Amino acid sequence: AQSVTQPDIHITVSEGASLELRCNYSYGATPYLFWYVQSPGQGLQLLLKYFSGDTLVQGIKGFEAEFKRSQSSFNLRKPSVHWSDAAEYFCAVGAGDTGNQFYFGTGTSLTVIP
Amino acid sequence: SQTIHQWPATLVQPVGSPLSLECTVEGTSNPNLYWYRQAAGRGLQLLFYSVGIGQISSEVPQNLSASRPQDRQFILSSKKLLLSDSGFYLCAWERGGRWGTEAFFGQGTRLTVV
Repeated sequence: AQSVTQPDIHITVSEGASLELRCNYSYGATPYLFWYVQSPGQGLQLLLKYFSGDTLVQGIKGFEAEFKRSQSSFNLRKPSVHWSDAAEYFCAVGAGDTGNQFYFGTGTSLTVIP
Repeated sequence: SQTIHQWPATLVQPVGSPLSLECTVEGTSNPNLYWYRQAAGRGLQLLFYSVGIGQISSEVPQNLSASRPQDRQFILSSKKLLLSDSGFYLCAWERGGRWGTEAFFGQGTRLTVV
């Protein structure tokens, strides 16, 4: 069965420090992978997505993610975190070949300290 | 450009009262439409999805129902709310015929059942 795991429920980093949010997925075929960000009380905004090709994808707001098939991972990274990056981050798998939809992780809450 | 509207933004309803949340999409035709519920620490739970007018698929048995009376309108309803229906409800759309390729989210509705 398809699933997405975000092992870190909450992460705290200092402003200017680097960031890596982990995401592991379980899916029988080549997945479509996404990272979304959610500010408090708001909807989800797409940061980046991977469909095929280059396994390192660039997104908005200086984020990038790397698809590693051997590890079934799609970790999100940012070299230098800004205070405005504090939010909830969701990893998702698009199950396009099942005529179904998306599977989301439970999210990682990011706190940025000055 | 495409936009998604979801209302109301917040709602406080007594137990046993009816519910109607509305979502509309502009700038596209025949979208796939989704209703998700987000509970604290539990990520996004898919409630319903729809591929066309009058076509509704339910993912989880519950006290809620959905309808799609028009191509770009998706309504979430309940005849009698339960306390457990409290949560953050998100509507999303996706380009028709392209499952799991990218979902665009509304701003959400915070429902509190008292």
